[in-house]
Order: sequence, then structure tokens, then C-alpha cells
Amino acid sequence: DAGVIQSPRHEVTEMGQEVTLRCKPISGHDYLFWYRQTMMRGLELLIYFNNNVPIDDSGMPEDRFSAKMPNASFSTLKIQPSEPRDSAVYFCASSLSLGFTDTQYFGPGTRLTVL
Amino acid sequence: AQSVTQPDIHITVSEGASLELRCNYSYGATPYLFWYVQSPGQGLQLLLKYFSGDTLVQGIKGFEAEFKRSQSSFNLRKPSVHWSDAAEYFCAVGEAGGFKTIFGAGTRLFVKA
Repeated sequence: DAGVIQSPRHEVTEMGQEVTLRCKPISGHDYLFWYRQTMMRGLELLIYFNNNVPIDDSGMPEDRFSAKMPNASFSTLKIQPSEPRDSAVYFCASSLSLGFTDTQYFGPGTRLTVL
Repeated sequence: AQSVTQPDIHITVSEGASLELRCNYSYGATPYLFWYVQSPGQGLQLLLKYFSGDTLVQGIKGFEAEFKRSQSSFNLRKPSVHWSDAAEYFCAVGEAGGFKTIFGAGTRLFVKA
């Protein structure tokens, strides 16, 4: 398996623009997670999906952030409009099940810079 | 609330020397504990995890960690560090009764020749 795939790897945009980050989880994994990593706040869970359904989005910082999972092999995280404070590395991860007995596999991340 | 503290922001060791990365957690019951490694430009990779049983846990890449309840610690160790071990290491705890993993701030490891 190719692992979790994220695109783009790097994104530079200007404040106010819409940004869409993409993720392809490992085939067969029922759970998908979006994380954000910043120097100030470390690694934070934004939202997770089970069988394509968003289950907990309490970590989503603002209404400017939205996430979708239209099918089992694709998810997007959208920021509209983007702001400089959204600059971070965004990780997608997937796992077979919830809880801690199954490993979460992380993608390589998307480094977002908002100017 | 659960929390994880990694007291060292960065550590430098010589290649071939032993390594110990510190991790302290705050949790009321027996926690689920993890160590992840993040190489530059890569995502996090699980090194090892502890749920119960033997308090000394073996992981990948020659790493091990020891759970000490009395000290609320879960320190990561490796007897001989290789240059390829240079990376950032994250300790994490599983949220009680749930699914969220709480990550520490990370310790960046530098390996000198």
C-alpha cells in the first residue's frame, strides 16, 4: 500500500484566498483524521470521520474551516477565506478502527503558508 | 484534563551514544501511551505503544520505553544512536474513554558525528 497520500505537499497562498487540502487514506481504513501542527500549539486534532461521516469536529478552529469525505478514498479540508494564522502543517491520518489498539498512519503533511 | 510534557525541546547526542527522551503525563488511570517519530518532511510514525502488562515496551528501530506509574513517566530509550535517528520525537497519551490522542510538544534530536 502507498500509505496515506496528501496533496499538495506545499501550498503558498495569499490572505483571503480559498485553500483546499486533499487526502487519500489507506484502503480499508474506516477512520480518517485531520490534524494541524504549529509551533505554538503543537499537534491538534481538527476533525475525524468514520465511514465517510464526520463524527467530531470540535477541533475545527472556526467556520472558515470545513472538511468533507465524499467517499472512502478521498477527503478534503478547505479554508475559506484563509488567514496568515492558518499557516501550519496539516496532516491527514487513517486507521482501521477508533481507539488505540489500531495504529494511526499519518500522511507526509501539507505545509501551508498564507501570506 | 490529560496532558503530556516533554521537558526537553531539543537534545544533542553523539552517534553511538545512548539516548533517553523524557516524557511525563497527567492522567487518572492507566493511560494509553505512545511514542511517535517525525523525520523532516514526513508524517508521524508510531515507534511503540503501551496499554497494559509489561512496563518495558519494545518498538521499532531499536527503541524501547518504560512505563513508570509512580513517576508518571514513559521515557524513550535507545542504547546506541545512529545518525538516521535525527528527527523529532513525540510522546502522546490516549484520551480516556475516547479516541483523541494528546501529543506532547516534541523533542528534537540532533546526532553529531
